[in-house]
Amino acid sequence: GAVVSQHPSRVICKSGTSVKIECRSLDFQATTMFWYRQFPKKSLMLMATSNEGSKATYEQGVEKDKFLINHASLTLSTLTVTSAHPEDSSFYICSARSDSNQPQHFGDGTRLSIL
Amino acid sequence: GQSLEQPSEVTAVEGAIVQINCTYQTSGFYGLSWYQQHDGGAPTFLSYNALDGLEETGRFSSFLSRSDSYGYLLLQELQMKDSASYFCAERTGANNLFFGTGTRLTVIP
Repeated sequence: GAVVSQHPSRVICKSGTSVKIECRSLDFQATTMFWYRQFPKKSLMLMATSNEGSKATYEQGVEKDKFLINHASLTLSTLTVTSAHPEDSSFYICSARSDSNQPQHFGDGTRLSIL
Repeated sequence: GQSLEQPSEVTAVEGAIVQINCTYQTSGFYGLSWYQQHDGGAPTFLSYNALDGLEETGRFSSFLSRSDSYGYLLLQELQMKDSASYFCAERTGANNLFFGTGTRLTVIP
């Protein structure tokens, strides 16, 4: 149980393009979803926390207008990287949990490459 | 702020035992988790310590000492497939995770 699906797994696009990444909880209702960013051989850095039906809470230094997060339902959160540039190239990972007493379950990540 | 430090790389022989340390400086500490991540994959949960002492789960064990702000992950009977990155992660009061710097384990024959 507790499966989180992330799509797409890999995307390559031109600079200036906006890219949407989806994170779905397949067998549970995720009241909270998290978005992380990971550079090669580095740790996972929390970008933002989203609760269903409310605005996301962004970590310090993360541009909310650059990384748009929508958590419109209990099974889906999306991260849109707007006007992506090469420096946005990274591995983006989502996680989800059903409530604050439950562990986070991670998606398989999305490797974003901006040319 | 929060800081969890780990050795960047560890190499060990197949069949051996290896210990990966994690020292932390945080506020509002609730517990320490350990995750394994293979290249390009999702982090997978290994173990969690809320209290001092040793937690054993098969070949993996994790230890926590709150007074020393220190924990470790112990991997026994190492297998080649254990080659991966290992992260300690602090559980915060909001039950969020703050990840450590990560340790890349290489298991050699």
